[in-house]
Amino acid sequence: NAGVTQTPKFRVLKTGQSMTLLCAQDMNHEYMYWYRQDPGMGLRLIHYSVGEGTTAKGEVPDGYNVSRLKKQNFLLGLESAAPSQTSVYFCASSYSTGTTEAFFGQGTRLTVV
Amino acid sequence: TQLLEQSPQFLSIQEGENLTVYCNSSSVFSSLQWYRQEPGEGPVLLVTVVTGGEVKKLKRLTFQFGDARKDSSLHITAAQPGDTGLYLCAGEEGSQGNLIFGKGTKLSVKP
Repeated sequence: NAGVTQTPKFRVLKTGQSMTLLCAQDMNHEYMYWYRQDPGMGLRLIHYSVGEGTTAKGEVPDGYNVSRLKKQNFLLGLESAAPSQTSVYFCASSYSTGTTEAFFGQGTRLTVV
Repeated sequence: TQLLEQSPQFLSIQEGENLTVYCNSSSVFSSLQWYRQEPGEGPVLLVTVVTGGEVKKLKRLTFQFGDARKDSSLHITAAQPGDTGLYLCAGEEGSQGNLIFGKGTKLSVKP
């Protein structure tokens, strides 16, 4: 079972470059999330989606855009990367909210130089 | 914004010792979840507690939800090196029910 798959796993960008992180889930989950994890800061929610075609801002959305054109995919875009966006990015999905388990991908380690 | 504070931030112990980590908030949560994250991996759910005062056991791990549903604790008995990892608590926030996370407790269990 694949679960939640993130690509790529590692990436180095130069300041100002753009890139897209892909998240794919095969569990037919409605809810999908993008988090970033920084040392000492825990996991912070960037954007989320409650269903195909819908997206919403989380706690730290600036500098990122997202799209959910298909239920199984959730894309995170960086239009003009900045060193402050160096982080480990995690995608997660869940069937519902609240007590429902969130399933996480293995993460993408992004370095912006 | 609801905040979850975890303590201690770091914990290094010897195999066989017992330990407790805490997750506290000034806000009431309808439920709290505990995740464990190993290096290079995403967090994995350990347990969800829903009812105030609830106690759940998972082998050597005991989870408790405070009576007022503002805090939770995780107790590990006779820790083993395989328990090493980052322990995160998470609670539901807002009308959409998004999960917010504490900053975690990094546990190292030495043989």
